[in-house]
Amino acid sequence: TQLLEQSPQFLSIQEGENLTVYCNSSSVFSSLQWYRQEPGEGPVLLVTVVTGGEVKKLKRLTFQFGDARKDSSLHITAAQPGDTGLYLCAGANDMRFGAGTRLTVKP
Amino acid sequence: NAGVTQTPKFQVLKTGQSMTLQCAQDMNHEYMSWYRQDPGMGLRLIHYSVGAGITDQGEVPNGYNVSRSTTEDFPLRLLSAAPSQTSVYFCASSYSIGSLRAGYTFGSGTRLTVV
Repeated sequence: TQLLEQSPQFLSIQEGENLTVYCNSSSVFSSLQWYRQEPGEGPVLLVTVVTGGEVKKLKRLTFQFGDARKDSSLHITAAQPGDTGLYLCAGANDMRFGAGTRLTVKP
Repeated sequence: NAGVTQTPKFQVLKTGQSMTLQCAQDMNHEYMSWYRQDPGMGLRLIHYSVGAGITDQGEVPNGYNVSRSTTEDFPLRLLSAAPSQTSVYFCASSYSIGSLRAGYTFGSGTRLTVV
């Protein structure tokens, strides 16, 4: 079992601020996925990162996979209230999830 | 496409009762999984299946049974409900792209309360 630790657990910021959340493990992952979950809904896939050092952008969201494929980060630029939610990372082949970062963006 | 459909959306059980949570997907995905989500604990894997006729245990399998007789359906059975099984349950499906697994598609969840 490959354990995933996410930090911070909670994050509350003002609209327009930038933020970074982290997903770390002592194990190497073949690929890693990020999801966002809104209240009352199931998680929705944002991105899959596969190659060490890979950077993927999704509008204001930037995802990075560590060179050693043991960690990943999600950076949000100019956060908006619509970004509010629970952000989860998961080892794709392992089917295990981290505990998530609960983000609140205040208008 | 309907994606992943879970029923029921809400359920209240008495301690000791049994029930089956239904999950169906229409995307011909070979992988299906059941998770439970408790406050502050993210998603924990209960059972999973890599194809029809094949199931295996996840992190927290005790008190739950599954079967996968078809590609489409993956029901989760609670044999004798306990208050500790109060949670939100999610079913998810996925498929392979070569040696990698594509992203999971989740159902909208079943909120279960055991009293």
